[in-house]
Amino acid sequence: QKEVEQNSGPLSVPEGAIASLNCTYSDRGSQSFFWYRQYSGKSPELIMFIYSNGDKEDGRFTAQLNKASQYVSLLIRDSQPSDSATYLCAVKFYNQGGKLIFGQGTELSVKP
Amino acid sequence: GAGVSQTPSNKVTEKGKYVELRCDPISGHTALYWYRQSLGQGPEFLIYFQGTGAADDSGLPNDRFFAVRPEGSVSTLKIQRTERGDSAVYLCASSSLPGHQTSGANVLTFGAGSRLTVL
Repeated sequence: QKEVEQNSGPLSVPEGAIASLNCTYSDRGSQSFFWYRQYSGKSPELIMFIYSNGDKEDGRFTAQLNKASQYVSLLIRDSQPSDSATYLCAVKFYNQGGKLIFGQGTELSVKP
Repeated sequence: GAGVSQTPSNKVTEKGKYVELRCDPISGHTALYWYRQSLGQGPEFLIYFQGTGAADDSGLPNDRFFAVRPEGSVSTLKIQRTERGDSAVYLCASSSLPGHQTSGANVLTFGAGSRLTVL
């Protein structure tokens, strides 16, 4: 079983700070990487995906991928209390079809 | 439909009973996925369909779990002889393309989930 690891947190940051969420994965044959946000009692919703090494920015969110180190991260700039949620990292592994393997999620709390 | 629809939203049953959970994917999405999520954990893969066929059922925990998608649209997850350990939120997701592309179109869109409680 391919593995995706996240620090479960909780991670607490003050409003306006940068929140950094990290994820490691076990297989160098990984293909693409996804960050989902999940509010308590709700279903996961996609924030962004990345499949090339480097950075990808979308508004206040930046995903960073380093395949050599098997590491993907999500940075949230100017964090807001509304960003408080669990952030799920998911990996699509090569030659395993369309399924995503999820990490356990990191709980983020943004304090006003 | 506009989104992934799952019914029932909540199901309480007794140990040993049979349960069916239904998923209606986004119209036109060919791939459909079932996940299970326990409290404090990430979604755990169960099975996914490409069209009518199960492309990967490696996540089904045992033979009490079965899923079908007879017409390539709606899917039903069936759990026989339920156990207390089956209690979880069962999530369904769909995507518009098969899984091998590195495309945003492969993004999974989730339904609201079916919360199963086995007493």
